[in-house]
Order: sequence, then structure tokens, then C-alpha cells
Amino acid sequence: KAGVTQTPRYLIKTRGQQVTLSCSPISGHRSVSWYQQTPGQGLQFLFEYFSETQRNKGNFPGRFSGRQFSNSRSEMNVSTLELGDSALYLCASSLGHPNTEAFFGQGTRLTVV
Amino acid sequence: GENVEQHPSTLSVQEGDSAVIKCTYSDSASNYFPWYKQELGKGPQLIIDIRSNVGEKKDQRIAVTLNKTAKHFSLHITETQPEDSAVYFCAALLPGTYKYIFGTGTRLKVLA
Repeated sequence: KAGVTQTPRYLIKTRGQQVTLSCSPISGHRSVSWYQQTPGQGLQFLFEYFSETQRNKGNFPGRFSGRQFSNSRSEMNVSTLELGDSALYLCASSLGHPNTEAFFGQGTRLTVV
Repeated sequence: GENVEQHPSTLSVQEGDSAVIKCTYSDSASNYFPWYKQELGKGPQLIIDIRSNVGEKKDQRIAVTLNKTAKHFSLHITETQPEDSAVYFCAALLPGTYKYIFGTGTRLKVLA
């Protein structure tokens, strides 16, 4: 069974640009969550999608947005990039029911210069 | 607000010794607590989890204990091996949501 796939693995962008990251969950999983990981702030929740609907949202500015498609694949977008957006962006996949396991992908390393 | 405290931040043990990492959560209604292992350049890997209806769970050399009264849960690794070296994160699922609150991580070094 294939795991969670995130693309691309690495990305370098310039301040002010926008970026789109992609996540394909484990087959059969309908929930996708996104987290930002930085040395200073640790793992911070961005948002969670289930069956194309955003169910939960973290405390990030509106520049961070996401969506989920009918095949459960998800994308997140960051507009007007800032240097502080440099981070490892992780996607987690789960069945989406309460208290079920969440499995992470390898992440996308975003560097903003 | 919701918070998970994790200690210690770094831990060095001799190969074959045991390692214990402790976490404390703030929301007493939390009832699902996973542990993740993250190796360099990789995403977090789920290694064990515990739900609030049990006090202890074991999987080979790894065990997790939960004390709901004290709002503490701990990861125990016995007979540590060099490949156990990694950063370990505890987490608590925020009740009524699908949002995990993570601890700040423990860097475990197993010395050969």
C-alpha cells in the first residue's frame, strides 16, 4: 500500500511569489491535514480537509489556503511569500474518523529567498 | 489555550539502556495520543498511540503509558539501539476536531 506522497520535495521561491504544494493521501483515506514545521515553532496545524470540505483551520494568515479534490488529493497554496514562510510543509493522511491514526508524508522543503 | 509540553528536549543514552520521554497536555477532554519518530530529512513516522480508555500499550521495545488524572503520557523505549536515534514527538488530538497539538520534540541519541 503506497504511503502519503508529497510533491515537490524541495522548492526555492522568491519573496512575493506564490507556491502550490501537492499531497496524495493513502488510498482509501479521505482526510488530509497540513502542518508547517520550523525549528522555532515546531509542528503547527494549518488546516484539515475531508471529502473536499475544510473542517478545521489553524491560526495562519489568509495567504495560506488549501483545497481537496474528489479523489482526496489536496493542494495548499501560499501567496505573497515571506522569508518566514521557509519551512518543511507536511501533509498527513487519515480515514477521517475520530481518534484514528494519521500518517505523514516526507514533506516539501520550501525555501524563500 | 491548548498545549502539550514535552521533556526532555535532548536525551543521550548508552546502547541497551532505556529511554523515557514525558508529555503533559492541557485539555482534559483529549482522548487520543500518538507518538511520532522523525529521522533527518523524513516526515514523522507514527510509532505507537494510546487512547484514553487504556492506561498502557506495548509494541515490542516500545511502550506508552497514560495517566488521565495527571494529564501525563510517556514513551518508554527499552534496549535502545543506534537506529532509535531520532527526534520523537508526542501529540494530543484536540477534542471535537481533527487538529493535533504537538510537543516540541525530544532529540534522542543512542551511543554505541
